[in-house]
Amino acid sequence: ETGVTQTPRHLVMGMTNKKSLKCEQHLGHNAMYWYKQSAKKPLELMFVYNFKEQTENNSVPSRFSPECPNSSHLFLHLHTLQPEDSALYLCASSQEWEMNTEAFFGQGTRLTVV
Amino acid sequence: AQTVTQSQPEMSVQEAETVTLSCTYDTSESDYYLFWYKQPPSRQMILVIRQEAYKQQNATENRFSVNFQKAAKSFSLKISDSQLGDAAMYFCAYTGTASKLTFGTGTRLQVTL
Repeated sequence: ETGVTQTPRHLVMGMTNKKSLKCEQHLGHNAMYWYKQSAKKPLELMFVYNFKEQTENNSVPSRFSPECPNSSHLFLHLHTLQPEDSALYLCASSQEWEMNTEAFFGQGTRLTVV
Repeated sequence: AQTVTQSQPEMSVQEAETVTLSCTYDTSESDYYLFWYKQPPSRQMILVIRQEAYKQQNATENRFSVNFQKAAKSFSLKISDSQLGDAAMYFCAYTGTASKLTFGTGTRLQVTL
């Protein structure tokens, strides 16, 4: 357990559904991240929040909508997803948004879009 | 843009033996950090070892060590005295001035008795 908790662990949703992924950290970190992990592909950085402000949106489709109400919580709201969006979604946090800072990851949410 | 390449999709090692996982990267920056992350079946990525590019000395963490060749842009991970608990996906990662972690595609390590 690294202090980053993601819920739910597994999610199956239809293409017309709306769901949200939740990430929580109580490590006192100021930066939080969403990554997408697909089979046989490198982890893809989706969003970065630093001190609750979004600092990075890596050309992610608008059907993914992040929300960071405070430094401890990060959400990823999902709507009208496609089957190719099925993947493991990982949340991470770090002390600061700096290159030498270790990132701590959650266990991910395995998302299946049917 | 920076890229990270792991050319070994799968590796296997016998318990107590040594294995080396390869990683190469491409960058035009001179100041950066390199990492090896481990992802066990529990799916939680855990930092194994970190190397600062400005340091010539190779990083070491217990049974884990790296061979950092800056000119060749190579960053391999050596696991000594392999244990069953070392079985996992291993990801090489890079971060530079853009402060974004760029990952390779990973190497699945199997540890056999």
